Amino acid sequence: AQKVTQAQTEISVVEKEDVTLDCVYETRDTTYYLFWYKQPPSGELVFLIRRNSFDEQNEISGRYSWNFQKSTSSFNFTITASQVVDSAVYFCALSGMEAGNMLTFGGGTRLMVKP
Amino acid sequence: EPEVTQTPSHQVTQMGQEVILRCVPISNHLYFYWYRQILGQKVEFLVSFYNNEISEKSEIFDDQFSVERPDGSNFTLKIRSTKLEDSAMYFCASSEQGAGETQYFGPGTRLLVL
Repeated sequence: AQKVTQAQTEISVVEKEDVTLDCVYETRDTTYYLFWYKQPPSGELVFLIRRNSFDEQNEISGRYSWNFQKSTSSFNFTITASQVVDSAVYFCALSGMEAGNMLTFGGGTRLMVKP
Repeated sequence: EPEVTQTPSHQVTQMGQEVILRCVPISNHLYFYWYRQILGQKVEFLVSFYNNEISEKSEIFDDQFSVERPDGSNFTLKIRSTKLEDSAMYFCASSEQGAGETQYFGPGTRLLVL
């Protein structure tokens, strides 16, 4: 069975600090996909990134970066120079070929960025 | 940019009543999904739909739930007899292909059962 764990339920930082959100996953699949979604206070789920299990290259997009390490089954998300607008709940999710089309979400990390 | 839309944004209903939540997936997408999020909790998969039939469903998706694609654009979730514990945010999502593809979510319908 698939499982995603986001051990940090809540993180509070001051604007301009860097922050890393942790994600650890479990799956028996050899082919799988990892995702991060952002849920701002308005409630919608906004797609941020998708990675497949064969691509361990880190990715950077502006102030966002992702570190995928198969050896530790982790897919961590770092926000550099955080801003108040980054305040949201962030979900890590997993999709494996064996489990079909469903996304398995972690419990989410609530990030609060204070001015 | 194409997006998934959902109506209504909020729905209040009495326990035992039927509700229908509506979604318009992105037009060239072939796979459709419903998820729910009880307040403050994780997002949970309910059902996936492809080629006019259910492809997967979770334990949550019992006989009280049904899905339908009544025409070429809408995708609906029906709850036949709502219970208090059905109160949640319901998200529709769609993807171009199946397993592993990015699922794009609608803004959600907040359902409150009294």
